[in-house]
Amino acid sequence: GQQLNQSPQSMFIQEGEDVSMNCTSSSIFNTWLWYKQDPGEGPVLLIALYKAGELTSNGRLTAQFGITRKDSFLNISASIPSDVGIYFCAGHVNNAGNMLTFGGGTRLMVKP
Amino acid sequence: EAGVVQSPRYKIIEKKQPVAFWCNPISGHNTLYWYRQNLGQGPELLIRYENEEAVDDSQLPKDRFSAERLKGVDSTLKIQPAELGDSAVYLCASSFTASSGNTIYFGEGSWLTVV
Repeated sequence: GQQLNQSPQSMFIQEGEDVSMNCTSSSIFNTWLWYKQDPGEGPVLLIALYKAGELTSNGRLTAQFGITRKDSFLNISASIPSDVGIYFCAGHVNNAGNMLTFGGGTRLMVKP
Repeated sequence: EAGVVQSPRYKIIEKKQPVAFWCNPISGHNTLYWYRQNLGQGPELLIRYENEEAVDDSQLPKDRFSAERLKGVDSTLKIQPAELGDSAVYLCASSFTASSGNTIYFGEGSWLTVV
């Protein structure tokens, strides 16, 4: 089946620093989604990407859909303590299976 | 607009007991998903519905798990009997398939602990 490799697995940064995380796949995806999950909550959608090469921003977050359609990255600028959480990438293929495959997550910790 | 609603939020049961989770998707979303998320891992699909039809249940352990989506709106996921390894978060999600793509929204999850 499809596999998503997400890195890094965890990050511990200082408040104000920029953060970058990425996902790579051996398969092509039609959609890339980035979610954030806080403790005790479900994943919350941050950014959705639908076209290869697409670059989309949501506040301090920027994500890009790789040209090869096999990768995506998420950047967070000027991190703040509330950015703490687990960030998941997810890839979706528009076929009969219609499955959403998740990466293993990046645990972000921000030191004030 | 209301998001995906799940209940109960938290459930603690003894092994061998039954448990059921309920999900109300976002209005107008024709696709409904049940995912299971183990601690420290990403969600994994259990079953996907297109309207009333279960179109992908290959990952659902059918000996003890069952799901239904009557009338193509709300859905229930049942485990009977529960085992210790079933402790996890059960996430419901929904989406509307558009030409631009398929964006999936999650509920807050039902957190199950089997003791």
